[in-house]
Amino acid sequence: DVKVTQSSRYLVKRTGEKVFLECVQDMDHENMFWYRQDPGLGLRLIYFSYDVKMKEKGDIPEGYSVSREKKERFSLILESASTNQTSMYLCASSTTGTGFVPEAFFGQGTRLTVV
Amino acid sequence: QKEVEQNSGPLSVPEGAIASLNCTYSDRGSQSFFWYRQYSGKSPELIMFIYSNGDKEDGRFTAQLNKASQYVSLLIRDSQPSDSATYLCALDNYGQNFVFGPGTRLSVLP
Repeated sequence: DVKVTQSSRYLVKRTGEKVFLECVQDMDHENMFWYRQDPGLGLRLIYFSYDVKMKEKGDIPEGYSVSREKKERFSLILESASTNQTSMYLCASSTTGTGFVPEAFFGQGTRLTVV
Repeated sequence: QKEVEQNSGPLSVPEGAIASLNCTYSDRGSQSFFWYRQYSGKSPELIMFIYSNGDKEDGRFTAQLNKASQYVSLLIRDSQPSDSATYLCALDNYGQNFVFGPGTRLSVLP
């Protein structure tokens, strides 16, 4: 089974702190994604990556950055956490390999609270 | 910007009934569509994938796609209380990423 693992299930951080959310997948997927999920707004794409050291902005990249130094690991960084970044963060991965359904496999999510 | 729209619900159906979930999308060039189920406090999981016009059946689930009308639907036959969840419609954004709708909350009443 594909496994996408996020480093923390719950996090509480203070305003202004630098926050790191880590995600690791074990299926050699090319694509990795960071979404945030808020009530009524669904999943919104923050950043995605289709290869090591490659990154693309999603719909709401402001206040975030990412790092992908290894194929299996995709990190989301909140440079200076703010209360409006309190949310559920979901990491996902997918493959573009021939013959595979291009579905997104999700991690368990990190519920981040910024106080 | 591509958009996927869903009625947020909640949609309530009695146990054993057919639940019908609908989704529209803005980009006529979109090719592949997904239905994810998300239980409260859990991550989304894929239940159906469709890319051809028409119906695709998998057990109690049927996905329907009408590209001319830019419309995707999910039918759940013989609904069970365990089907109570939020259902997310998504499209494949030209192989780069996925665009999700806001989700429809389904409640199946015993």
